[in-house]
Amino acid sequence: SQQGEEDPQALSIQEGENATMNCSYKTSINNLQWYRQNSGRGLVHLILIRSNEREKHSGRLRVTLDTSKKSSSLLITASRAADTASYFCATDDRDKIIFGKGTRLHILP
Amino acid sequence: DGGITQSPKYLFRKEGQNVTLSCEQNLNHDAMYWYRQDPGQGLRLIYYSQIVNDFQKGDIAEGYSVSREKKESFPLTVTSAQKNPTAFYLCASRGQLAGGSYNEQFFGPGTRLTVL
Repeated sequence: SQQGEEDPQALSIQEGENATMNCSYKTSINNLQWYRQNSGRGLVHLILIRSNEREKHSGRLRVTLDTSKKSSSLLITASRAADTASYFCATDDRDKIIFGKGTRLHILP
Repeated sequence: DGGITQSPKYLFRKEGQNVTLSCEQNLNHDAMYWYRQDPGQGLRLIYYSQIVNDFQKGDIAEGYSVSREKKESFPLTVTSAQKNPTAFYLCASRGQLAGGSYNEQFFGPGTRLTVL
């Protein structure tokens, strides 16, 4: 089944810096979603971008989608300690969602 | 964790025992999902259900069973046939939009199962 693959697997940055995570997928999609997971908790939906959109913003989040390269990026600007979490991209495979393995983001004080 | 509850939060099981994990949602969502997450890993789909009294196997269904007798409930049983059941289990649901597409998934807080 198709799957998003995030890159890098882990990322540590200083508070206040921007964090960029990338996702690549294998087949054509209707939409791509990004989720956040705090340690030991369930996932929280962050943003959905449709296949006919190229960029989407939500607060400090900016998501881009390049369907020709089958890739997406998530940018978190002006990072905060509370942004420390794992971030997953997910793509629709008909009636289910397929998740990547995630990027673990650590914001250093 | 928006309208989805999972219980218990922590569960300990002896080898050879079956255990059932509860998942309830009050979001009026048709579709519900069970995932397994191992440390530092992504989510793997166990079972999913798009409608009451119907469910489909995901990628790792062996050793698990589910039922969907009510729209609100989708319990997962981890059977003794599951060779390595120690993991974090997540339940999710999502609603269907007009036109047949789905919105995002809403997740429960998870159940951490440990086999002793």
